[in-house]
Amino acid sequence: ELKVEQNPLFLSMQEGKNYTIYCNYSTTSDRLYWYRQDPGKSLESLFVLLSNGAVKQEGRLMASLDTKARLSTLHITAAVHDLSATYFCAVVIRDKIIFGKGTRLHILP
Amino acid sequence: DAGITQSPRHKVTETGTPVTLRCHQTENHRYMYWYRQDPGHGLRLIHYSYGVKDTDKGEVSDGYSVSRSKTEDFLLTLESATSSQTSVYFCAIIFSSLYNEQFFGPGTRLTVL
Repeated sequence: ELKVEQNPLFLSMQEGKNYTIYCNYSTTSDRLYWYRQDPGKSLESLFVLLSNGAVKQEGRLMASLDTKARLSTLHITAAVHDLSATYFCAVVIRDKIIFGKGTRLHILP
Repeated sequence: DAGITQSPRHKVTETGTPVTLRCHQTENHRYMYWYRQDPGHGLRLIHYSYGVKDTDKGEVSDGYSVSRSKTEDFLLTLESATSSQTSVYFCAIIFSSLYNEQFFGPGTRLTVL
């Protein structure tokens, strides 16, 4: 059974700081997704990571994948208030897509 | 906008009544998914479909059934709704592309009294 664990589940940080969200999963996966969700809204796709060593960056967010360690990270550089949201990772095994519980990120001005 | 619509967007119903939620896509993507989202649980996969009449169970399929009689529609049915099925339900599709990106519909908020 595929398990996906994110940590931390809640993160409060100051603007301008750097931080990393971790996503661990229990079995070999085909690909990994990162999403953002604002309160009361649907999920917005951020990154798709396909292979070991994959790194993708968009603005202040950078995602990486280590398939050997079964670990993905979402790194936030010089956080700004607009990045406050809940971030989810989701792991694909065959056709099933299983989500972590999410990391609620609160960035203080 | 990935061309995914869900209906209804909000519904209040009573325990024991049947409820059907509809997910509609405007393109012929093969894979469609139903999730529920509850505080503290993230998103949990209910059922998914990999083609017309081809469906499979997810993590929390008990109490739910699905049907896909045509490519563009994926229906989720609660045969006899219970209060534990009060949730926000999201439909998602996989865009057939190099990255197989998954896009979500706007969600349906269901309250079972």
